[in-house]
Amino acid sequence: GQNIDQPTEMTATEGAIVQINCTYQTSGFNGLFWYQQHAGEAPTFLSYNVLDGLEEKGRFSSFLSRSKGYSYLLLKELQMKDSASYLCAVMDSNYQLIWGAGTKLIIKP
Amino acid sequence: GAVVSQHPSWVICKSGTSVKIECRSLDFQATTMFWYRQFPKQSLMLMATSNEGSKATYEQGVEKDKFLINHASLTLSTLTVTSAHPEDRSFYICSATGEREAYEQYFGPGTRLTVT
Repeated sequence: GQNIDQPTEMTATEGAIVQINCTYQTSGFNGLFWYQQHAGEAPTFLSYNVLDGLEEKGRFSSFLSRSKGYSYLLLKELQMKDSASYLCAVMDSNYQLIWGAGTKLIIKP
Repeated sequence: GAVVSQHPSWVICKSGTSVKIECRSLDFQATTMFWYRQFPKQSLMLMATSNEGSKATYEQGVEKDKFLINHASLTLSTLTVTSAHPEDRSFYICSATGEREAYEQYFGPGTRLTVT
């Protein structure tokens, strides 16, 4: 079956760095996405990785290793507004998104 | 660019009645639209995928007669929850992909449904 694993919850301090990991097993691979979702709101797109390596976009970076079925989202200089759920999703061979359950990130002052 | 709207943003209906939710792509033509359901503290669950002018493809376990999807144009898809019951209470989110960047789904703001 298809499976996306990510931690349920993480806590970090304002100004610090946090890494959210995601491992996946899917039938085929057409890219991995990270989305941010604040409580009661729809997800917003953060990043898309289809090749191995690190993609940097401001305070957020996303890394992919296809051979290991592994990705992480790195958030630097954490701000209180970064408190949200972070969803990892993989597009399979049918171009369908397989979603992880999300990681709730709690930022403490 | 790539804005998706949903209407209404929240709705309360009586048990047994039907509710229609609209999803519109405002500044692009959506070749494919997706309907998701999200229960509290859970991840998104794909309900169905629809392409303009054709019947929606429903995920396993989703009743097509209960959740009617119409993708009438390249900018509008509707989801009708028929004979709503309290267990249908959820956050319904649509997303859309366009021709230019077919891999990225643009999400609507969601519709919160409460059934009394």
